[in-house]
Amino acid sequence: AQSVSQHNHHVILSEAASLELGCNYSYGGTVNLFWYVQYPGQHLQLLLKYFSGDPLVKGIKGFEAEFIKSKFSFNLRKPSVQWSDTAEYFCALISGGSYIPTFGRGTSLIVHP
Amino acid sequence: NAGVTQTPKFQVLKTGQSMTLQCAQDMNHNSMYWYRQDPGMGLRLIYYSASEGTTDKGEVPNGYNVSRLNKREFSLRLESAAPSQTSVYFCASSVVGETQYFGPGTRLLVL
Repeated sequence: AQSVSQHNHHVILSEAASLELGCNYSYGGTVNLFWYVQYPGQHLQLLLKYFSGDPLVKGIKGFEAEFIKSKFSFNLRKPSVQWSDTAEYFCALISGGSYIPTFGRGTSLIVHP
Repeated sequence: NAGVTQTPKFQVLKTGQSMTLQCAQDMNHNSMYWYRQDPGMGLRLIYYSASEGTTDKGEVPNGYNVSRLNKREFSLRLESAAPSQTSVYFCASSVVGETQYFGPGTRLLVL
C-alpha cells in the first residue's frame, strides 16, 4: 500500500526565512507527486506537481520541490517566505494507474511578519 | 467556469437527522471524490467515483452514502448524523491521475 509522510506537523518562521517541508512516500513504482496549499478558511489548491522529467519542479509563488527517487522524497522549498505563505501544506501522491490520491497529514506553516 | 461547487456552505444538524451534501463540477472530469478534514488528521477519503456510474468506498465510508447522479454531480448523504461526523467536507474532481480541483467545502456541526 502507498503512504505519504510529512515529518513537520507545525513550522513557525519569520518573514524572509528559508523553508523546507519534508515529504516521503512509500511506493515502489511510478508515482505522480503533488503539493497542495490550503490558505486559512479556504479549499486546497495546487502548488506544484511532478509527473516525470526534470526532478526540480517550480510552482506558483516562488515554491519549488525536488523529487529524489532514491530517497522516496519530494521536499518543498522556498528561499524566502512571506507572511502570506501562512497556510497548511499537503503532500500527495497517485501511483501509476490508480484513481485514488494518498495525502499526507499536512504541515501547518505560520510566518510571523 | 465555476470549477467545483458545493452546497451548503454551513449546516447544523441534530443527532439522528439526515442531510445531503451536493457537489457539481463543470470541468468534464471523470473522477470525483468526497473527503473529510479534521484537525491533525489531514484529508481522509470517504468515497470516490472513478467514472459516471461507479462509486467505491474510501478510507472512512461508515455512516455515509454517495450517488454519482451524472458526470457533473456527486452527492454525499448522511442518513443519521452523529457528533463524530462534525467536520469540514470537501468535494474534488480530476482527470484520472492528475491534479485534483477542490470545492470550497461544507462545514458541518452535529449536535
